[in-house]
Amino acid sequence: DVKVTQSSRYLVKRTGEKVFLECVQDMDHENMFWYRQDPGLGLRLIYFSYDVKMKEKGDIPEGYSVSREKKERFSLILESASTNQTSMYLCASIEREAPYEQYFGPGTRLTVT
Amino acid sequence: AQSVAQPEDQVNVAEGNPLTVKCTYSVSGNPYLFWYVQYPNRGLQFLLKYITGDNLVKGSYGFEAEFNKSQTSFHLKKPSALVSDSALYFCAVSESGSARQLTFGSGTQLTVLP
Repeated sequence: DVKVTQSSRYLVKRTGEKVFLECVQDMDHENMFWYRQDPGLGLRLIYFSYDVKMKEKGDIPEGYSVSREKKERFSLILESASTNQTSMYLCASIEREAPYEQYFGPGTRLTVT
Repeated sequence: AQSVAQPEDQVNVAEGNPLTVKCTYSVSGNPYLFWYVQYPNRGLQFLLKYITGDNLVKGSYGFEAEFNKSQTSFHLKKPSALVSDSALYFCAVSESGSARQLTFGSGTQLTVLP
């Protein structure tokens, strides 16, 4: 079974802090994604990566950056956390062949106070 | 651009009754379609997918979905609902042969009443 893990289930940070969310997958997937989930808005894509050191912006990249130094690890960085970044963050990795079914981690519920 | 609509924020159904969760999509080419379920405080869990072939797709936990190309719909169904089916359901689409991005609907909260 594919396993996608995220470093924290719950996180509370202060406004202005730099926040790191870590995601690790164990299936040698090349493609990894970060989403945020908000009620009524579904999942919105923040960033994705097709390969090590490669990244592309998704639909809502502002205020975020990412790092992919190793194939199995994809990190989301909030450079200076703000209260409007309070959300559920979901990491996903995707199989190499079509139709590209995505496998999700358990999520990190981030609260910025 | 691809998009997904889930027109109902909330669906309530009595246990033992059939359930339907609606989804319509828009893509410029042929779609790959997915349903995911999310239980409280958990990540998304794959239920089923449509790639090509039979319009009726069977998935996990007794769920099925019907692909209707003319109506651009991919409704999720189950003949007899269980209380344990209560969860948040997401429909997603990607365009076949294109990049690997999924576009998700806003989600439908299903509540099965005992």
